[in-house]
Amino acid sequence: EDQVTQSPEALRLQEGESSSLNCSYTVSGLRGLFWYRQDPGKGPEFLFTLYSAGEEKEKERLKATLTKKESFLHITAPKPEDSATYLCAVHPYNTDKLIFGTGTRLQVFP
Amino acid sequence: EAQVTQNPRYLITVTGKKLTVTCSQNMNHEYMSWYRQDPGLGLRQIYYSMNVEVTDKGDVPEGYKVSRKEKRNFPLILESPSPNQTSLYFCASSQQGWTEAFFGQGTRLTVV
Repeated sequence: EDQVTQSPEALRLQEGESSSLNCSYTVSGLRGLFWYRQDPGKGPEFLFTLYSAGEEKEKERLKATLTKKESFLHITAPKPEDSATYLCAVHPYNTDKLIFGTGTRLQVFP
Repeated sequence: EAQVTQNPRYLITVTGKKLTVTCSQNMNHEYMSWYRQDPGLGLRQIYYSMNVEVTDKGDVPEGYKVSRKEKRNFPLILESPSPNQTSLYFCASSQQGWTEAFFGQGTRLTVV
């Protein structure tokens, strides 16, 4: 069964304290892996798409990487405005479904 | 401005009273989808559509219906709502294959 697991569930960081969020997945084949950011009371906002192992994407303080079993979202020197829930989703090869993990709630304190 | 618009934003209804949540996108996207978001369960896909007149079930389709008669609109229909359908609902669209999907602002539904 296709599955996406994110860890940790919640993460508290001091401003400037770098860290990584994990998304591990089990699918028969991967068509794409996506990272989204969700602020309270709002819809998810697209961050990155990764297609194959070894691929990396960067945007400001965020960097997403992909292996055959997991993806990491690295946050370098985070700021309070980076506080949000970060969602990972996969598009398996044999279906047009999109499967989300339960997210990591990140809080960055000044 | 590129956007996905859902209506209503908030809805309180009674068990068994049919309702429709509308979703419209202005980006000429092929793919559209509905999700529900519940604490501890994350976003779960209800139905999706790859083009006009083409729809398929997601992971939690029971109790819901959809239609895609026009490219821009993808309404979610609850024929006989029940309390376990109380949730936060999101509509999304993307050009192809779910990459760079745009989400609506959400509809908070309460069924009493």
